Amino acid sequence: EPEVTQTPSHQVTQMGQEVILRCVPISNHLYFYWYRQILGQKVEFLVSFYNNEISEKSEIFDDQFSVERPDGSNFTLKIRSTKLEDSAMYFCASSEQGNEQFFGPGTRLTVL
Amino acid sequence: AQKVTQAQTEISVVEKEDVTLDCVYETRDTTYYLFWYKQPPSGELVFLIRRNSFDEQNEISGRYSWNFQKSTSSFNFTITASQVVDSAVYFCALTPWGAGYALNFGKGTSLLVTP
Repeated sequence: EPEVTQTPSHQVTQMGQEVILRCVPISNHLYFYWYRQILGQKVEFLVSFYNNEISEKSEIFDDQFSVERPDGSNFTLKIRSTKLEDSAMYFCASSEQGNEQFFGPGTRLTVL
Repeated sequence: AQKVTQAQTEISVVEKEDVTLDCVYETRDTTYYLFWYKQPPSGELVFLIRRNSFDEQNEISGRYSWNFQKSTSSFNFTITASQVVDSAVYFCALTPWGAGYALNFGKGTSLLVTP
């Protein structure tokens, strides 16, 4: 069964460093998303992407964040200058028709 | 604005008991989607169900059933004859009708099923 994959599973970085989180959505899906979940809290929306552009973003998704679909398969989230409060689990999701979203296993980001 | 409330933070049951997880939502939209996701201890988010707002028929899938009541803005989830493997955090979520919208999640209910 096709699934969303994410790499790395765990990323440790120093405050102020740039990180890139990678996702490979399900191949025939057209809608892509990033969410984050701070430990023990609810899942929060960051950004959605369709037709090679951002379609929606939350207040969390400020200028420090960017997304890219550099080729036909990868979907990346970049955090330019990480802060301690960026430590969270980051989930990528994809959707074929824009309603049911299927999530990857997540990348745990730890900012020291 | 949309909001999802899962008032039960933690529930603990003994195996084989039935358990209902509550979800109440607020939205100004007349049409929308409702979802349930499961997050087991391993951390991934597993899609369980999507319900359209104009379809109030209850749904059953094995030991799982969902009761959608538009009049009370609730979308409750019942697990019958619970098993230890059902131990997880369960999230209810809401999106506007249409394609590509963000999931608005509740805070989740942590279910612990003990032998």
